[in-house]
Amino acid sequence: DAGITQSPRYKITETGRQVTLMCHQTWSHSYMFWYRQDLGHGLRLIYYSAAADITDKGEVPDGYVVSRSKTENFPLTLESATRSQTSVYFCAAGGRRGGTDTQYFGPGTRLTVL
Amino acid sequence: QKEVEQNSGPLSVPEGAIASLNCTYSDRGSQSFFWYRQYSGKSPELIMSIYSNGDKEDGRFTAQLNKASQYVSLLIRDSQPSDSATYLCAVRLASGGSYIPTFGRGTSLIVHP
Repeated sequence: DAGITQSPRYKITETGRQVTLMCHQTWSHSYMFWYRQDLGHGLRLIYYSAAADITDKGEVPDGYVVSRSKTENFPLTLESATRSQTSVYFCAAGGRRGGTDTQYFGPGTRLTVL
Repeated sequence: QKEVEQNSGPLSVPEGAIASLNCTYSDRGSQSFFWYRQYSGKSPELIMSIYSNGDKEDGRFTAQLNKASQYVSLLIRDSQPSDSATYLCAVRLASGGSYIPTFGRGTSLIVHP
């Protein structure tokens, strides 16, 4: 089930370059999320979106920009990549349906900033 | 300060044993509680959710919730080597109805033959 796809799966870039990570869901979950996962820190929320055109900051938003013009897409842009942004990035989608909370993760993007 | 706490482990159990994973949280108004499994190099996968006090069973997995003591646990019966993974606890905090789960850092489980 490829309900959430992320691209690219792997990316190597240089300090100062702009990078965009893509996230697409085939469902219609209202919420979408971007997390980064680093050793010693676990999953940290970067940004989230409750619906199209509604976004809000999470725990670690500095250096990142998001947009959500369509319900199914939630791209994450690193405006000027830094080495500290080397990480694994996970997109997720979820919400409440039929009294049950759900959240599903994409396969992740491994980003290396040189 | 992290609001969801887990012992990082690793928790090592023999095959066939019961693995017990624990999680505590700080917000008394928390409403929804989740357990995710994450294999090395893979994304987290939702395996259990629980909303009310007591036990919820799904196959070999049992989630236990005690809101008065602010903890949630996951029991894995008849542990298998394939259960070796990191288990993440997540809590949806009470914050105006928004759906924003907060994750613990995870407990590494090793099931040895």
